[in-house]
Amino acid sequence: DIQMTQSPSSLSASVGDRVTITCRASQNINSYLSWYQQKPGKAPKLLIYAASSLQSGVPSRFSGSGSGTDFTFTISSLQPEDFTTYYCQQSYSIPLTFGGGTKVEIK
Amino acid sequence: QVQLVQSGAEVKKPGASVKVSCKAFGYTFTGYYMHWVRQAPGQGLEWMGRINPNSGVTNYAQKFQGRVTMTRDTSISTAYMELSRLRSDDTAVYYCARDPSTPPPREILDPWGQGTLVTVSS
Repeated sequence: DIQMTQSPSSLSASVGDRVTITCRASQNINSYLSWYQQKPGKAPKLLIYAASSLQSGVPSRFSGSGSGTDFTFTISSLQPEDFTTYYCQQSYSIPLTFGGGTKVEIK
Repeated sequence: QVQLVQSGAEVKKPGASVKVSCKAFGYTFTGYYMHWVRQAPGQGLEWMGRINPNSGVTNYAQKFQGRVTMTRDTSISTAYMELSRLRSDDTAVYYCARDPSTPPPREILDPWGQGTLVTVSS
């Protein structure tokens, strides 16, 4: 199975800050990487797929980059509704695997 | 619009089985793979498996092989996930999620159902 290592597990930031989360795969997954946002008590929501493609309807302050084993997820200017948890997921092969999550908290 | 509506919360005793349903609205049910993912309280996301609703062919995570069964009823656009021999550490929210691509699947999960809490307790 492909292991996904996400960091940091949590971070504190302020409204307007630029935030970056990283995800590392245990083997080359090309660009088969997605990012999800999950708010408390809710199902995850797809934000980014194919490493850098923005899902329809998702604000442009969210972006992704990377290929191979190292990936980055960025929120360019944090908004109040962005303080929640984010997960990466490899879509290269089954079993699908997720990173451990990053909780973005208010500083 | 595309929507997945899951069955309600369940409380089960250890050793029992649970069957969670996921009804699809707004698209051709047989055209898109359905995945199942679970999340234990306060924990991350864990993929359980997927089903091709057209053929019924399934792929399960090794961890759940022998305990999980994914089926579908195309007449009512509903997918099912049954987990047997339940243990306390199976307590989790179980989600269905559609792959947004017609086969071959892209292994992306969108959208998701609202989740079904399964509590295993004696």
